[in-house]
Parts: sequence; structure tokens; C-alpha cells
Amino acid sequence: DTEVTQTPKHLVMGMTNKKSLKCEQHMGHRAMYWYKQKAKKPPELMFVYSYEKLSINESVPSRFSPECPNSSLLNLHLHALQPEDSALYLCASSQDPLTAVDNSPLHFGNGTRLTVT
Amino acid sequence: GIQVEQSPPDLILQEGANSTLRCNFSDSVNNLQWFHQNPWGQLINLFYIPSGTKQNGRLSATTVATERYSLLYISSSQTTDSGVYFCAVGPSGNTPLVFGKGTRLSVIA
Repeated sequence: DTEVTQTPKHLVMGMTNKKSLKCEQHMGHRAMYWYKQKAKKPPELMFVYSYEKLSINESVPSRFSPECPNSSLLNLHLHALQPEDSALYLCASSQDPLTAVDNSPLHFGNGTRLTVT
Repeated sequence: GIQVEQSPPDLILQEGANSTLRCNFSDSVNNLQWFHQNPWGQLINLFYIPSGTKQNGRLSATTVATERYSLLYISSSQTTDSGVYFCAVGPSGNTPLVFGKGTRLSVIA
């Protein structure tokens, strides 16, 4: 079982809907990430939170809005998405991106498979 | 930015066979990780290996940082080894990983 939990596992939404993806980890990690993965492609980084602050936004459209309520939780709010946004959305965490040296493997959740109709 | 190249892109093995997957990168790294993504999409961290050799059961990995490559060895392959193997590298522990395009492995019984 993965130690990073994502809900829901599947989501179908219309282009006018507002929905949220949720991610939770209890490993004491201080960095959390959102990745987007299209079929037969590697994961693409969207956002990084470090110590609950947004540290990296990879030029993601504003219809994706991340939120980190505390060190264990990460949300991704979705609004006015397009069909091309359909993908597997993966959450990940790592120990400490600012001072990590040898012990910072990236741990992924099982993902949310999003379909935009 | 740093470039990551994985080979081969696709591999088909008979159950029980051994294989070697390669990851080449274009610059020095302090962070290198191997992942396995199963057919259901779950991404599992196999190794954190910026240098040296590690083993975990039938899997082992070696990174030769000075020559900018890493190898993932799979011995006595099983059908459950099928999926995509990604190498991801970073120039330091403080920067996001860059993923290669992956090696798609199919192990047939």
C-alpha cells in the first residue's frame, strides 16, 4: 500500500464543473508535488510545495489551483477544465527539498484518473 | 536543462529472463531515482541511487556518476515486472527531478 493517499481514484467532470483532488501523507515529509501524466508519457511536474509554501509553478494554467492547508495535505482545485486536461494526476512527497542530501526519494500516490467531458 | 535518455524504449522478455535498462544523462547529478509504473498507473520508487550500487531482491542498480549513466538490472523476470521503468535525475537535491521517457517492459509467461 502506498503511503501517499489520493482521492478520488477516478473523476469525470464537465467543462463548467468545479472539483478538487486531494492528497494526504503522514510520513513527515515537508515537500509535496502535483504531477500530470498523459498516456505513454512520463510525469510532468506542475507544482511543488515546500514547507507549505508554493515554491515551484511550472507555468500551469490558472484553471488549476493548488492549495496546501497543512504539511500533510495537498489539494488541487479544478475549474473550467478542457478535454485536453484529461490525464492521470499524481501527488508525491519527499522528505525535505531544501536540505535533502542522500535520503529524499520521491513517493507517489496511486493517482486520480481525470476525464473532462 | 539536463537531458535524460533511456534505452531501450521497449522490451519484451520471456518469464525468467534477465534484462538491463540504461539511463544516460547529460550533466552531473546529485539525485537519481528509478521508478516502476505498473499497468494500473501506480508509480513505485525502486532506488535512490545518485552513485554506487544497490540491490533489492531481484532488482539491482548501478550509477556511474562520472560517466553519466545508470543501469537497472532485473533478474529472473516475472510477469509482475511488466510496466514502464522511469529514470529521473536532478542536478542537486534541491531541484525537481527530470524524468526520462521510460522503458516499457512486457514479460510474457
